[in-house]
Amino acid sequence: DTEVTQTPKHLVMGMTNKKSLKCEQHMGHRAMYWYKQKAKKPPELMFVYSYEKLSINESVPSRFSPECPNSSLLNLHLHALQPEDSALYLCASSQAPGLAYNEQFFGPGTRLTVL
Amino acid sequence: KQEVTQIPAALSVPEGENLVLNCSFTDSAIYNLQWFRQDPGKGLTSLLLIQSSQREQTSGRLNASLDKSSGRSTLYIAASQPGDSATYLCAVERRWYSGGGADGLTFGKGTHLIIQP
Repeated sequence: DTEVTQTPKHLVMGMTNKKSLKCEQHMGHRAMYWYKQKAKKPPELMFVYSYEKLSINESVPSRFSPECPNSSLLNLHLHALQPEDSALYLCASSQAPGLAYNEQFFGPGTRLTVL
Repeated sequence: KQEVTQIPAALSVPEGENLVLNCSFTDSAIYNLQWFRQDPGKGLTSLLLIQSSQREQTSGRLNASLDKSSGRSTLYIAASQPGDSATYLCAVERRWYSGGGADGLTFGKGTHLIIQP
């Protein structure tokens, strides 16, 4: 099973709302990632968690707050977003940091619209 | 900063043709190169991963090659079918650093492929 699940599939929020995106994998992977994909553009890395610790933050604004409560779960907390943050948010996981074969598996994404 | 370029940006061919999609990257210090397909509005499906020490990987009708020294990879699709229509993305993983963490992928802009029935 190479499935990464994401909820919700779609989210519409106002600029003053607080919401969270959820990502789950049960493959025993120890690296998890958040990417942002704007329309007609490639995905861009936001955060990387290795062994439940934040290892990379690609200078993402603080209105995006990641959390990794355990090895299977990754959250992205959203607060005071801007309309330009509207995008497809993709979660990915891979087996373990540092492995020579570190294939990343992606979830279906959450389509976020900020009004 | 790593830059990944994919050529062509779009391609439309009749069913049954063999295709070559190209990917180039500027920094040869990569760990892995991965090819994905993405259907409209969907997530990414991993097709093939080539480790930096490898030259080639095959899966069914797909064959990917890697020339790390020249910063190039190609994805060969044999006997194309309408179901192959999608955007194909090439992505490179930066070299794993001694900090002990994983690293993310840097993507090209993709090749939008249409296979005509």
